[in-house]
Amino acid sequence: GAGVSQSPSNKVTEKGKDVELRCDPISGHTALYWYRQSLGQGLEFLIYFQGNSAPDKSGLPSDRFSAERTGGSVSTLTIQRTQQEDSAVYLCASSSDPLVRGVDEQFFGPGTRLTVL
Amino acid sequence: SQQGEEDPQALSIQEGENATMNCSYKTSINNLQWYRQNSGRGLVHLILIRSNEREKHSGRLRVTLDTSKKSSSLLITASRAADTASYFCATRQGGSEKLVFGKGMKLTVNP
Repeated sequence: GAGVSQSPSNKVTEKGKDVELRCDPISGHTALYWYRQSLGQGLEFLIYFQGNSAPDKSGLPSDRFSAERTGGSVSTLTIQRTQQEDSAVYLCASSSDPLVRGVDEQFFGPGTRLTVL
Repeated sequence: SQQGEEDPQALSIQEGENATMNCSYKTSINNLQWYRQNSGRGLVHLILIRSNEREKHSGRLRVTLDTSKKSSSLLITASRAADTASYFCATRQGGSEKLVFGKGMKLTVNP
């Protein structure tokens, strides 16, 4: 597709279950970002992938959170043993290499709304 | 902590009026960007201003940047009901590959 896509759009799960959220970035974009947005709040940076470099995981809130990016394209954010405070909208964004291309715009997906009961 | 802080937190105006939103930040930046978000979903990039620029225009949008005061403003002229959304500023610090977003400002334009 032409834009960033995320699946599922909504996910309801029970406390303690694991969830996987998927992001398909724009083709050719080397940078991929995950953010979390709680109700009425700003964006909280989670993790950043750039090409083949080691990801910047500095925003992951706990070791229950992990993310992979396979083949430099699709990314999966995994939350293990979900807690109620994990309920939020999880947003993915992609961009061209921000330091090389000089093009800094991030393109966002529609997000996955996660509800942990 | 958030790099950008939007001010005011919420703004309600009538259609046709101008809306001004401010953003302050703490550290030196490479550029500052404004994004718009509808209905709590994905953000859309509006405009980017680089640290060596002072003002930029795009359609009904006007952005200013004052690096001495570490602040930026976004002006939407002749507002429309469709401009109702949340607006976020985001900053990129020199050499950093990450954008840091503020908490956002909710704009309501009443018909």
